[in-house]
Order: sequence, then structure tokens, then C-alpha cells
Amino acid sequence: AQKVTQAQTEISVVEKEDVTLDCVYETRDTTYYLFWYKQPPSGELVFLIRRNSFDEQNEISGRYSWNFQKSTSSFNFTITASQVVDSAVYFCALSLGPQTGANNLFFGTGTRLTVIP
Amino acid sequence: NAGVTQTPKFQVLKTGQSMTLQCAQDMNHEYMSWYRQDPGMGLRLIHYSVGAGITDQGEVPNGYNVSRSTTEDFPLRLLSAAPSQTSVYFCASSPTIAETQYFGPGTRLLVL
Repeated sequence: AQKVTQAQTEISVVEKEDVTLDCVYETRDTTYYLFWYKQPPSGELVFLIRRNSFDEQNEISGRYSWNFQKSTSSFNFTITASQVVDSAVYFCALSLGPQTGANNLFFGTGTRLTVIP
Repeated sequence: NAGVTQTPKFQVLKTGQSMTLQCAQDMNHEYMSWYRQDPGMGLRLIHYSVGAGITDQGEVPNGYNVSRSTTEDFPLRLLSAAPSQTSVYFCASSPTIAETQYFGPGTRLLVL
């Protein structure tokens, strides 16, 4: 069975601080995909990143960076110099990919990030 | 492109009533799915479709029906609403089953 754990339910930081959101996943499949989605207070789900299980290279996109480590089954998300607009709920998710005949996403329970001005 | 659209944005139902949540996409995506979001539980898959005429059950399908007569539309039907179906419902789509899913704005449903 697949499982995604986001142990941090809520995090508060002061603006300009760095913050890391943790994500730990479980799967027995060797082919899988990991995602981060952002849900701002307006409620929509915004796609941030997708990584496949064969690519452990870290990725940086502006103030956002992601650290994928298969050895610890983790896919952590760091926001550098946080801003008030980063306040949102962040979801980590896992998909097993097309070999299953579907594209189902298994979500963690989310981490609510509050950036205090 | 409008992307993934959902109607209505908010709905209140009484127990036992039926209704259909609409989902449409104009991107010619093959794959579409429905999730529900409940506090503290993340999102859970209700039903999905890999193409027109093909649907299948997800993790929490009970109480819901779907059909996919066209590529564009994937409605979710509640046959007899129950308070346990109070939730936020999200529709998503992807070009194929191998690609990233993009979500609609959601429908907030309250069953009294």
C-alpha cells in the first residue's frame, strides 16, 4: 500500500525566514512519482513540482527547492526567504504511474504554513 | 483555455436529495478524476476515468456515480446525499495517465 506522511500539521515562521516542509512516503514500487501542490486560502490546488523515482537530482525554482532522497524515502520542500504570499496548505502526493493503468494520487494530510509579517 | 471548470462553487443539500457536480475541461485531456477533501485527511480519490466511456472506482466510491460520455465532461452524481458527504470536491485532469494532473477550483458541498 502507498502512504504519504506529512508530520508537520502547522508551521509558523516570520517573514524572510527559511522553512522546510517534510514529506515521507511509502511504496514497494520502484517506479513512482512525487508531487507538491499548494492550496492558498482561496482554496484552489496549484501544482508546484513533479519528480520521478529515477531522478534524485535536487531542483531549485526561484525561492523554492526540493530535496529528494530515496535512501530515506523523503521529498522535502524548502522555501527560502519566506513571504506572506507563501501562506498556504502544502500537500505532498505520490503516484505509481501508468503501469498501474491509472494516475491516482495518494495525498498526505498537508502542512499549513503561516508566514507572519 | 479555461482549464478545468467546476459547477456549482457551493451547494447546500438536505439528506436524501440527489445532485450532480459538474466538471469540464477544454484541453482534450484523456484522464479525469474526482477527489474529496476532508479536514485532516488530505484528498482521497472517489472515481476516475482514463478516457471517454471508461470509468473506475477509487478509494472512496460509495454513494457516488460517474459517467464519461465525452472527453470534456466528467460529472459526479450523488444519488441520495448523506451528511458524511459534506466535503470539498475537486475534479482534476491530465493529458494522459502518465502526466501531471491539474485541478479545478472545487465545489464546497454541505449536506444537512
